[in-house]
Amino acid sequence: SAVISQKPSRDICQRGTSLTIQCQVDSQVTMMFWYRQQPGQSLTLIATANQGSEATYESGFVIDKFPISRPNLTFSTLTVSNMSPEDSSIYLCSVVRGQGADTQYFGPGTRLTVL
Amino acid sequence: KQEVTQIPAALSVPEGENLVLNCSFTDSAIYNLQWFRQDPGKGLTSLLLIQSSQREQTSGRLNASLDKSSGRSTLYIAASQPGDSATYLCAVNYYGQNFVFGPGTRLSVLP
Repeated sequence: SAVISQKPSRDICQRGTSLTIQCQVDSQVTMMFWYRQQPGQSLTLIATANQGSEATYESGFVIDKFPISRPNLTFSTLTVSNMSPEDSSIYLCSVVRGQGADTQYFGPGTRLTVL
Repeated sequence: KQEVTQIPAALSVPEGENLVLNCSFTDSAIYNLQWFRQDPGKGLTSLLLIQSSQREQTSGRLNASLDKSSGRSTLYIAASQPGDSATYLCAVNYYGQNFVFGPGTRLSVLP
């Protein structure tokens, strides 16, 4: 398994501001992902965080709005920029230890409310 | 477009019943499929992972099956307990890079 922590666990932010969410894993992993879960909805993949290079974004998500860093094999950040109430969601980090065939593990999530 | 659906959307059963949750996917060229549970306000807990070459996986009272040709997976829960109450999500891993989640089945097990 993998032990994953996220900071902050929750936050309430004002419209137009930005929030950076941190994801820390207890040991090196191959793949790290960021998801969004809007209220009452399932999970949507935002991007794959690539170590040492630009993240790979899914359709509908752009780097200017959701800049992602992954400086090493155990840590990643997701920034939600210029926030609006529509960004109110749970943001989840997930990891895969080996290659794509391995189990995906999730962090506890960050609950974001934008006023 | 790769889509994942789950039926039923919600299910309420008395304690002790055996139950089946269904997951369907549109593209059969999958890498693997994973079942999760999510408790209210919490992250996801991995339950079972089935590789594309496998037909089923078992863990305790849980059994998951996979039929790639028909684009379906089922999660069987035996002798359900109130502690099983949660939302159950299936996620399809396409080509090892793209994970697509279903909308979930919200399960309530009544004591």
